[in-house]
Amino acid sequence: SAVISQKPSRDICQRGTSLTIQCQVDSQVTMMFWYRQQPGQSLTLIATANQGSEATYESGFVIDKFPISRPNLTFSTLTVSNMSPEDSSIYLCSVYTGGTNEKLFFGSGTQLSVL
Amino acid sequence: EDKVVQSPLSLVVHEGDTVTLNCSYEVTNFRSLLWYKQEKKAPTFLFMLTSSGIEKKSGRLSSILDKKELFSILNITATQTGDSAVYLCAVVAQGAQKLVFGQGTRLTINP
Repeated sequence: SAVISQKPSRDICQRGTSLTIQCQVDSQVTMMFWYRQQPGQSLTLIATANQGSEATYESGFVIDKFPISRPNLTFSTLTVSNMSPEDSSIYLCSVYTGGTNEKLFFGSGTQLSVL
Repeated sequence: EDKVVQSPLSLVVHEGDTVTLNCSYEVTNFRSLLWYKQEKKAPTFLFMLTSSGIEKKSGRLSSILDKKELFSILNITATQTGDSAVYLCAVVAQGAQKLVFGQGTRLTINP
């Protein structure tokens, strides 16, 4: 299993500002994933954070809006840039453990509200 | 494009009832299907299914996969108010680590 610490837990931000979310894992993992969950919606993958290379973004998400850092195998950050009210969501980091007991573990999540 | 559809989207029952949640999927090179329970922010893992017809069970919860008909069900017996949550179904393809999630079923258990 994996223990993932994510912070901040919640924040209220002003339009036009940026917020950086941090995610720390208690073990080394190759890939970390960032998901967004808009109000009343399911989880949508933003990007895959790879250590030592640029993140891979899903359709509809761009690096300028959601820059990601992955400086080592246990840590990643997601920045939500130039925020608007439409960015109000829950943001979740996650790691995938493969093998015979594969599953996706989630961080505690960040509840972001943009005014 | 991989797709997961859950039904119903919302369900309200009384404590003690039994519920069945449905998940159908379309995915290229299916590898596994996972169920999660989401009460607040972070989803918590329930089951991972890879083989047809083999029931996974944990207490009052159980789940089974049908790879021929491309669906899975999650059963909860003798429901309790603590079972109130959004239940998410997700699939992952062979060679991938990315999960594709369904819309979720919001389950409300009334006392």
